[in-house]
This record gives sequence, structure tokens and C-alpha cells, in this order.
Amino acid sequence: DAGITQSPRHKVTETGTPVTLRCHQTENHRYMYWYRQDPGHGLRLIHYSYGVKDTDKGEVSDGYSVSRSKTEDFLLTLESATSSQTSVYFCAISDSVVYGYTFGSGTRLTVV
Amino acid sequence: KNEVEQSPQNLTAQEGEFITINCSYSVGISALHWLQQHPGGGIVSLFMLSSGKKKHGRLIATINIQEKHSSLHITASHPRDSAVYICAVSYMEYGNKLVFGAGTILRVKS
Repeated sequence: DAGITQSPRHKVTETGTPVTLRCHQTENHRYMYWYRQDPGHGLRLIHYSYGVKDTDKGEVSDGYSVSRSKTEDFLLTLESATSSQTSVYFCAISDSVVYGYTFGSGTRLTVV
Repeated sequence: KNEVEQSPQNLTAQEGEFITINCSYSVGISALHWLQQHPGGGIVSLFMLSSGKKKHGRLIATINIQEKHSSLHITASHPRDSAVYICAVSYMEYGNKLVFGAGTILRVKS
């Protein structure tokens, strides 16, 4: 969807290095989310934001941090990447029950 | 915590068949979402429901709030409908976070 973009789309990184994934929206939606998708586990929430500088943890937040300094950008940082963080990461946005959810195209991260 | 159960887990159909995927949840919700994901692809939101029924092309989604149950129907199925269909529920009072079902893998054969 044109209203939400993720970067990079693919990344290979080494164990122990920091990695930042970016989610950018043009919809001015209040809520932004980072999910990871793994075989056998489905989609799981990492962190989410309900406004600028307002963030909260999801069910699999260990090893991840986030920041939201502007409405349009939500950054996910792996402080020291591990092989268990190899996954497909999806960003999503929502505003209210009226507007529903929009997902980004995903970032495939491989930690070697 | 809400539990979201989907059935069936896997479904194979012949082109043209009518398909139904079911979803049930255990606690009252703000909305129920049906999502579609093609192999190796992104996630597309098909429907968001808080009551009643919605239709888009060959896809129909219904929800029964009292029964805590929703169905996704595909009429005149086509091989391009082959994908994973995911049911999810959300709560506005909890940051509108999604709780996902495990997904239904649909394969439509020509």
C-alpha cells in the first residue's frame, strides 16, 4: 500500500551488530506496530506506538527497542542481532475501528 | 487474553467451489479482521467487521457477535485465491492491537 513503506526490504547482517528497520507512513494514523512472522508461530507483536514518543511492549519485545519521534516514522532497533531474530518483520498502521489496519510489505532479515 | 481459533487449518478446493473459513474468539472485541497473505508476499486486509456482513467481489465476511463467530466465504473460487487467510481480533481499549488466529492455508486447484 502506498501509505506505508518499510526499509530495507531485505537485509543480511552478522550476529552482534546493531540493525535498524524503518517504517514510514503518510496516512497520519495514530497507531503503529511492529510484528514478526515465523513459521510455526504466526504473527507476533514486538512493540507498538500510540502516539509520538508513546510506545509499549508486545509479547516478544526482548532484544528490541523502538522509537517514534514523528507521527510518520516508527523505528525498530535490534541492539545486538542474534540468529533467533532472523525473521520477516511487518510494520502496520491503524487509526480507529473505522479505518482498520494497513500492513507494510515486510522486511526479510537474516542474521548470520 | 482472547483466544482466536480458525478452522480448517488446511483446505484444498477445486476451481469454482464455494469455500468457507471459520473463526471463533472467546472475549468481546472491538473489531474482527480477515487478512490474506500470498506465499512469500505481504499481508492484505480484506475486511474489518464489528457487526453484520460485508461483501467485496467474490468475498463475503460475516460476524455473529452473540456467538463470537465469523466466517469468510469465497464464491466461485479461483487458483489465484490460493493463499493463507488469517483471522484477527482487535480492542480499541488496548491500543487496537491484533490477536491473530493461526491461519488457514487455502489451495485452489484448476
